[in-house]
Amino acid sequence: DVKVTQSSRYLVKRTGEKVFLECVQDMDHENMFWYRQDPGLGLRLIYFSYDVKMKEKGDIPEGYSVSREKKERFSLILESASTNQTSMYLCASRSAVLSGNTIYFGEGSWLTVV
Amino acid sequence: SQQGEEDPQALSIQEGENATMNCSYKTSINNLQWYRQNSGRGLVHLILIRSNEREKHSGRLRVTLDTSKKSSSLLITASRAADTASYFCATDDRKKGGSEKLVFGKGTKLTVNP
Repeated sequence: DVKVTQSSRYLVKRTGEKVFLECVQDMDHENMFWYRQDPGLGLRLIYFSYDVKMKEKGDIPEGYSVSREKKERFSLILESASTNQTSMYLCASRSAVLSGNTIYFGEGSWLTVV
Repeated sequence: SQQGEEDPQALSIQEGENATMNCSYKTSINNLQWYRQNSGRGLVHLILIRSNEREKHSGRLRVTLDTSKKSSSLLITASRAADTASYFCATDDRKKGGSEKLVFGKGTKLTVNP
């Protein structure tokens, strides 16, 4: 089974702090994604990565950056955390080779910015 | 941008009843997928239906797709309390270069009462 692991389940950070959310997948998937999920807004795509060192902005990239130095790892970075970034963050991965475009999700990281 | 929109937003039924959730989308698609999310957890893939298919079954799940109406439905038969979760449809964003990104709706929150 595909395993997508998010390093932190719950984090509390202060306004202005730099925050790293780490995600690792073990299935050699080319594509990786970061979503945030807020009540009433569903899942919104922040950034995605086609392959190592490749990235593309999603629908809400402002205030975020990403890093994909190794195929298995995709990091989301909040350069200066703000209270409106309090949310649940979901990492996901997908094979670009196999058909079907099924996305596999991690368990989520709950971030609170105070 | 939100592609799929689920209806209803919330649904409460008794154990043993059937649950039907609908999804509407706006543009052409390659396929449509349904995902399930238990409270506070990541999303899990349930079923995928391709644009040239009209109906698909998987256990107690039945998915239909009507591309002329740009809509899909997910039917869960003989529901159980363990089916309580949020259900999301997801479609590919073809206009931005093919099946690279999945766009999720806001979800239907299903409660199955014992």
